[in-house]
Amino acid sequence: AQSVTQPDIHITVSEGASLELRCNYSYGATPYLFWYVQSPGQGLQLLLKYFSGDTLVQGIKGFEAEFKRSQSSFNLRKPSVHWSDAAEYFCAVGLTGNQFYFGTGTSLTVIP
Amino acid sequence: EAQVTQNPRYLITVTGKKLTVTCSQNMNHEYMSWYRQDPGLGLRQIYYSMNVEVTDKGDVPEGYKVSRKEKRNFPLILESPSPNQTSLYFCASSSGFSGNTIYFGEGSWLTVV
Repeated sequence: AQSVTQPDIHITVSEGASLELRCNYSYGATPYLFWYVQSPGQGLQLLLKYFSGDTLVQGIKGFEAEFKRSQSSFNLRKPSVHWSDAAEYFCAVGLTGNQFYFGTGTSLTVIP
Repeated sequence: EAQVTQNPRYLITVTGKKLTVTCSQNMNHEYMSWYRQDPGLGLRQIYYSMNVEVTDKGDVPEGYKVSRKEKRNFPLILESPSPNQTSLYFCASSSGFSGNTIYFGEGSWLTVV
């Protein structure tokens, strides 16, 4: 079945540590790929997106993501996490016909 | 400022009492959609609309209705709410291309008792 998988439900990291959030998709063609962040009590905000070209994309707030076709993955990374990064992170894919599918989310806790 | 505005933000209602959650966007977007967010299930699409008078079912349409009479508005209607529709609802819009950014409203917390 077609899906977007975020295998980590919850991650805890120390402030200043590096972060990697995993995302895998299972669609026939390479979809459009997105990462969104949801801060407590807020809607979702786009962090970054991938269409084509350079497989390493830069986003806002110091985040980056790397598309790996062979692994059907689009993992989100940040070299040094800040306490304000604590939030829920969603990976999403966009398919032709304006179909969008979201992963189940990864909740990030940042400890001092 | 680009905005998706939904109301009410918080609502407690009783089973069977019809309610409407309004959604309006000021970006002239063709595409609008509704999602519900539940713990452990992420965001699931309820309905979407490609343009005025064009709507289609998403993954979880049962118990919901929508209409798109104007480009900027896309209300979500619960004709007879039930407790399993207690959820956080998001309205979203984009300019109609699958690769474009989706803009989300701030969410509507709905509790059906």
